Amino acid sequence: KQEVTQIPAALSVPEGENLVLNCSFTDSAIYNLQWFRQDPGKGLTSLLLIQSSQREQTSGRLNASLDKSSGRSTLYIAASQPGDSATYLCAVMSGTYKYIFGTGTRLKVLA
Amino acid sequence: DTGVSQDPRHKITKRGQNVTFRCDPISEHNRLYWYRQTLGQGPEFLTYFQNEAQLEKSRLLSDRFSAERPKGSFSTLEIQRTEQGDSAMYLCASSSTSRESYEQYFGPGTRLTVT
Repeated sequence: KQEVTQIPAALSVPEGENLVLNCSFTDSAIYNLQWFRQDPGKGLTSLLLIQSSQREQTSGRLNASLDKSSGRSTLYIAASQPGDSATYLCAVMSGTYKYIFGTGTRLKVLA
Repeated sequence: DTGVSQDPRHKITKRGQNVTFRCDPISEHNRLYWYRQTLGQGPEFLTYFQNEAQLEKSRLLSDRFSAERPKGSFSTLEIQRTEQGDSAMYLCASSSTSRESYEQYFGPGTRLTVT
């Protein structure tokens, strides 16, 4: 059974810092891994999707990497801004094409 | 591409009442998923459809829950005899089997509060 863990659960950093969010999963047989952002009380905003054959994806200040063999992904946020404050969710697609989500990392960027 | 839409966005109901939510997927997407998210947790899979066929249901989907996707277009999720534990955000997503990435596109969610 696929399980997804995100560390840390919460993170508070001053504006301008570079930071790394971690995601680990137990079954390496995945189709893809996706990072989402969720603002309080809102739906999910897709950030980056990494297919199982890929090692990383980049969009603006965000870079996500995937190491299937070790069951790990990281989301790197460069030069963090207060507007980056949100919960970041990692989701892994395996088995019957459904997503298994982690519990998220709550990020607060202080001005 | 107008995205996935969900209706209503918010629903407050009293315990014991029935509620129904609607999801309209991206028009060319043949797969449709329902997830539930409780406070402080990540979304959890409930069920999914390929066209009109319901292919998988989670154990979370008790017999008070029923989902349909008539004609393979929009979907409805009904909860009968609601309980306070049903309070959550209900998220719908859609995808296309013709896309190799299998990427799912999420709607804005329906927030249910059972009083």
